[in-house]
Amino acid sequence: DIHMTQSPSSLSASVGDRVTITCRASQSVDSFLNWYQQRPGEAPKLLIYTTSTLQSGVPSRFSGSGSGTEFTLAISSLQPEDFATYYCQQTSRSPVTFGQGTRLEIK
Amino acid sequence: QLHLQESGPGLVKPSETLSLTCAVSGALITRTDHNWGWVRQPPGKGLEWIGSIYFSGSPYYNPSLNSRVTISLDPSKNHFSLSLTSVTAADTAIYYCARGIRTGATDSWGPGTLVTVSS
Repeated sequence: DIHMTQSPSSLSASVGDRVTITCRASQSVDSFLNWYQQRPGEAPKLLIYTTSTLQSGVPSRFSGSGSGTEFTLAISSLQPEDFATYYCQQTSRSPVTFGQGTRLEIK
Repeated sequence: QLHLQESGPGLVKPSETLSLTCAVSGALITRTDHNWGWVRQPPGKGLEWIGSIYFSGSPYYNPSLNSRVTISLDPSKNHFSLSLTSVTAADTAIYYCARGIRTGATDSWGPGTLVTVSS
């Protein structure tokens, strides 16, 4: 299985800050890396797929980059609704695997 | 507007079979450009992919579940199902049904249903 590691596991930031979350894969996943946001009590929501393609309806302050084994999710100017948990996911090889999650909290 | 809704028992006894159904509205599960599957999340923990299936192909399952899992489609009802046999407390989780796109990403999710395994 491809193991996905996110860093940091938790992050405190303020409204308006720029933050980045890193996801590393134990082997290359090419560009098949996706990012999800999950708010408490809700299902995950797709933000970005194939590394950098923004899902329809997702604000442009979210962006993704990377290739191979290292990927980044950036949020350019945090809004109150962005405080949530973020997961990366690889869909390059079966079984599909997720990172352990990064909890983004208000400072 | 696509909508997915899980249904099934919220409590299952150890060693028994967990069975859930996902009703799909707003899209046909017979479309060949999407797959249909399940993801679970133990309370307070991360996401685990269970498996998925295309209408035109064979299912893919997470090997960690060994041979306990079956995902099937019912085009006549436009729904799909999950069966997980020989459950233990470790199978207690919120179960989400979901639609996948060709790249593998999951673009639509049901609200989730909590299944507790307990006697």
